[in-house]
Amino acid sequence: SAVISQKPSRDICQRGTSLTIQCQVDSQVTMMFWYRQQPGQSLTLIATANQGSEATYESGFVIDKFPISRPNLTFSTLTVSNMSPEDSSIYLCSVYRGPGELFFGEGSRLTVL
Amino acid sequence: KQEVTQIPAALSVPEGENLVLNCSFTDSAIYNLQWFRQDPGKGLTSLLLIQSSQREQTSGRLNASLDKSSGRSTLYIAASQPGDSATYLCAVRNSGNTPLVFGKGTRLSVIA
Repeated sequence: SAVISQKPSRDICQRGTSLTIQCQVDSQVTMMFWYRQQPGQSLTLIATANQGSEATYESGFVIDKFPISRPNLTFSTLTVSNMSPEDSSIYLCSVYRGPGELFFGEGSRLTVL
Repeated sequence: KQEVTQIPAALSVPEGENLVLNCSFTDSAIYNLQWFRQDPGKGLTSLLLIQSSQREQTSGRLNASLDKSSGRSTLYIAASQPGDSATYLCAVRNSGNTPLVFGKGTRLSVIA
């Protein structure tokens, strides 16, 4: 398995502000994945964070809105910029271990007022 | 484009009952399939991973089967308990370089 720590676990933010979510993994990984889960919905991949290169974003997600940093092989951050109520979601960090098994952090629950 | 469907969306059963959750996917050329559990407001816990060459995987009271040709997987939970109450998510990966595609989940309630 994998130990993945996320901060903050939850936050309430004002419209127009930005929030940075941190993800720390217990050992080195090449790729880290950021997902979003909107209320009552399933998970959608935002981007793949590779160490030493720019993140790869999925359709519908852009770097200006969701900038990602990956300074080393155990850490990544996701920033949600210029937030609106539609950004209220659970944001999840994940990594692969073993034979292609995906493990998730506890998630960061964001509420935008 | 891969699509994953889970039926039913919600299920309520009495404690002790055996139950089956269903997952179907449109593209049968998958790399692997993974079942997760999610408690309210929390992250996902991996339950079982089935590689494309496998037919089933078991962990305790859980058994997951895979039928690639028909694009289906089932998660069997034996002797259900109130602690099994959660949302169960199925996710499929088409290749080693593609991300998981998730279903919307089945919300399970086990009543004591």
